[in-house]
Amino acid sequence: DQQVKQNSPSLSVQEGRISILNCDYTNSMFDYFLWYKKYPAEGPTFLISISSIKDKNEDGRFTVFLNKSAKHLSLHIVPSQPGDSAVYFCAASLLNFGNEKLTFGTGTRLTIIP
Amino acid sequence: DTGVSQNPRHKITKRGQNVTFRCDPISEHNRLYWYRQTLGQGPEFLTYFQNEAQLEKSRLLSDRFSAERPKGSFSTLEIQRTEQGDSAMYLCASAGGGNTIYFGEGSWLTVV
Repeated sequence: DQQVKQNSPSLSVQEGRISILNCDYTNSMFDYFLWYKKYPAEGPTFLISISSIKDKNEDGRFTVFLNKSAKHLSLHIVPSQPGDSAVYFCAASLLNFGNEKLTFGTGTRLTIIP
Repeated sequence: DTGVSQNPRHKITKRGQNVTFRCDPISEHNRLYWYRQTLGQGPEFLTYFQNEAQLEKSRLLSDRFSAERPKGSFSTLEIQRTEQGDSAMYLCASAGGGNTIYFGEGSWLTVV
């Protein structure tokens, strides 16, 4: 049972435009969400997170939006840069239960076209 | 650099051999996690330590897998009698006062 889903395996975006990566989850108990970026042969690098008490969190070019009623979150990257080309993973946890254990989606490969 | 450190980064082993991976977490992080990632999948949780106590183990962690964190600092993950299906990237992560888990660069295992 895939509790965190990233339905787009890949996405190509022109440099300078907005990249929007989507993530859906099924477990309504999840209360903390994170995005990680991963280059080949490296571990995931933390990008940005959001608590379920918020609907938006912004950090520089990265903004995460959370729609709890739809069980959906998205990561916006504006403007997209060639160095953003990587695999992006959405992850969720149950912090209210004192458990940071992350459940990951399968990832979206983002390619920024110069 | 005081990030999460893993070694070896790459290991090729013959089926049936034992392998051990080591993880040094970020200093003063009391929580440590092991994950496994295979091609086309996201990382999957294996086990979790708070200090030296192993508090949770995934069903993915068969009897051939054992993890330790003897002094609440570094951790080891041992795989006995390796099988080809064990080929994957093994990721270690740690967490401290905040809610974010920070990952190491991973250890690639290839079983031939």
